[in-house]
Amino acid sequence: ETGVTQTPRHLVMGMTNKKSLKCEQHLGHNAMYWYKQSAKKPLELMFVYSLEERVENNSVPSRFSPECPNSSHLFLHLHTLQPEDSALYLCASSPNPPGGADTQYFGPGTRLTVL
Amino acid sequence: GQNIDQPTEMTATEGAIVQINCTYQTSGFNGLFWYQQHAGEAPTFLSYNVLDGLEEKGRFSSFLSRSKGYSYLLLKELQMKDSASYLCAVMDSNYQLIWGAGTKLIIKP
Repeated sequence: ETGVTQTPRHLVMGMTNKKSLKCEQHLGHNAMYWYKQSAKKPLELMFVYSLEERVENNSVPSRFSPECPNSSHLFLHLHTLQPEDSALYLCASSPNPPGGADTQYFGPGTRLTVL
Repeated sequence: GQNIDQPTEMTATEGAIVQINCTYQTSGFNGLFWYQQHAGEAPTFLSYNVLDGLEEKGRFSSFLSRSKGYSYLLLKELQMKDSASYLCAVMDSNYQLIWGAGTKLIIKP
C-alpha cells in the first residue's frame, strides 16, 4: 500500500466522451504529479502541482485538463481524446515541493482505452 | 538531449543473480532512482543513489558511477515474485526525473 489511490482503475471511452480521473494521496505530501505510461516507453511527465498550484505543464494537449482542489486530491479531466491517448495514467506524490531530490510515490494507475 | 538506456527485457532463473544496467546522459545530476513495477500495479521505490558506490538493501543492491554515467541494480537469490519491470530514473539539474523505458525481468523456475 503506497498511500496513493486512483480511480477508476480501468476506463474505456469514446472520442466524444468526457471523463475524469481521480487521485488521492494519504501521505500528507505537498506535491502531486500526473504521468502517462505507454508500452515500452519512458514515463512522460504531464503536470506537476506544488501546494495546489500548477508548476509545470509539459506541452500537454488541451484535451487533458488537470485540477488540484487541495493538496490531497488531483484530477485529470479528459475530453475529445484520440486513440493514441490510450495508456496507463499514473499519479504520484512527493513530500516537498519540486526543487529537491524527493522520492515520488505512485498510485496504481488508470488504464485508459480510447475507442 | 537527455537519455536513459536500459535493456528492454532480461530472463533469469529462480535462485540466481541478475544485474540490470542503466546508462544515462542528462543535464546535471541530482541522484538516480530505481523503481519496481509489477504488471498493472504502481511503481514502487527501491533505491536512491547520489554518491558513487554500492548501496545494499537485503537481496537488492544498487551501484552508481557518476563519471561513467552508469548504474546497475543487482538482485540476488531471485524469487518468482521478482518478475516485474525495473525502472531507472535520473534527477537532472532542474530536479526533474528523466525516466528509462524500463527493463522487464522474467524469472523462470
